[in-house]
Amino acid sequence: GQQVMQIPQYQHVQEGEDFTTYCNSSTTLSNIQWYKQRPGGHPVFLIQLVKSGEVKKQKRLTFQFGEAKKNSSLHITATQTTDVGTYFCAASGSARQLTFGSGTQLTVLP
Amino acid sequence: AAGVIQSPRHLIKEKRETATLKCYPIPRHDTVYWYQQGPGQDPQFLISFYEKMQSDKGSIPDRFSAQQFSDYHSELNMSSLELGDSALYFCASSQRGGRGTEAFFGQGTRLTVV
Repeated sequence: GQQVMQIPQYQHVQEGEDFTTYCNSSTTLSNIQWYKQRPGGHPVFLIQLVKSGEVKKQKRLTFQFGEAKKNSSLHITATQTTDVGTYFCAASGSARQLTFGSGTQLTVLP
Repeated sequence: AAGVIQSPRHLIKEKRETATLKCYPIPRHDTVYWYQQGPGQDPQFLISFYEKMQSDKGSIPDRFSAQQFSDYHSELNMSSLELGDSALYFCASSQRGGRGTEAFFGQGTRLTVV
């Protein structure tokens, strides 16, 4: 399966600050998905990126797929306490499996 | 809308016992996945099924087996349980062959081996 690295592992921000997590692969990805997992919860799909250089926005969240389709980022503007959780990138490739990155655990301090 | 249903939600077993986890995918979804998530870890892919046939295998121990039945529900059978098997086990389902499509996760089964 695909191998994806994700940084940082942890991020603590003050409410209102921005947050970014990065996902990198040594191989070209056919697509990348982003999931959010709240503490004690299950992964919930946020978005999928397919095209080289693609940028998608969901309210305060901006997702990017690199030109070489080897990296991706999730940026949250003006974080809120409801943004708390672990954000995972995941790659599917040609197999019927999702390979998850190690995740970035976001803590938002009020 | 119907979601992925997993049962039981919590399970406590002793070492060397067996456990069976059940998953009911979203209706008309053709792909089922099983994942294992340890504390503070990312979900690790175990196995997937497409149209009731095993599709891909990940880091599933030989002590574990899984199958998908005619009604599309899936079961993960775990034998000779070890302390290290304690984890959250997620089932997920997707449609259109499961390649590059959104996966919907169940609430998970928390297995504790004592």
